[in-house]
Amino acid sequence: EAQVTQNPRYLITVTGKKLTVTCSQNMNHEYMSWYRQDPGLGLRQIYYSMNVEVTDKGDVPEGYKVSRKEKRNFPLILESPSPNQTSLYFCASRMAGANTGELFFGEGSRLTVL
Amino acid sequence: AQTVTQSQPEMSVQEAETVTLSCTYDTSESDYYLFWYKQPPSRQMILVIRQEAYKQQNATENRFSVNFQKAAKSFSLKISDSQLGDAAMYFCAYRTLNSGNTPLVFGKGTRLSVIA
Repeated sequence: EAQVTQNPRYLITVTGKKLTVTCSQNMNHEYMSWYRQDPGLGLRQIYYSMNVEVTDKGDVPEGYKVSRKEKRNFPLILESPSPNQTSLYFCASRMAGANTGELFFGEGSRLTVL
Repeated sequence: AQTVTQSQPEMSVQEAETVTLSCTYDTSESDYYLFWYKQPPSRQMILVIRQEAYKQQNATENRFSVNFQKAAKSFSLKISDSQLGDAAMYFCAYRTLNSGNTPLVFGKGTRLSVIA
């Protein structure tokens, strides 16, 4: 089954404790991206990757890091989480190129930073 | 920069009735995609329908259809014969048609309630 898998689905942590949210896709997609969803703001892009070892900032990258060492994986790293990073996070992927349309989403990771 | 506006934060509809969710967008591009995503309480983002801007014909998927007005930059979603399972947050989204990073630009969402 084609899917994007995120872990953990739920996490409660404390300020400053480094954490990683993993993302893996099995569709051989070149393009992967992280979004955060906040009430009243919709979804906003954090980082994206066009392919292995190619990453760049989205609209709200502050406080986050990513890496793309393998095509299927795109972890989101919070080196020193803060309460304003409490949010619902989505990983997504699609094929590269212009005429590819649909973005496939993971099931979301609910993060709470105390 | 492209923007997507959903002017209705909340909507409600009686079961079996029809409801239309509004979406407008701002862009200077001529080729792009438009999408409606559904987010039920499970939080999963589910693609409902998509429209390529170069196609004049409005997209339809079973009970879901769109009214795409390119000149007016309007992209409304019509849900016919509404069912309880249609209750969700609906997001309108836009993406340009180029090969670089083309993030989905989302509206802020419309929460749809279905009344039995």
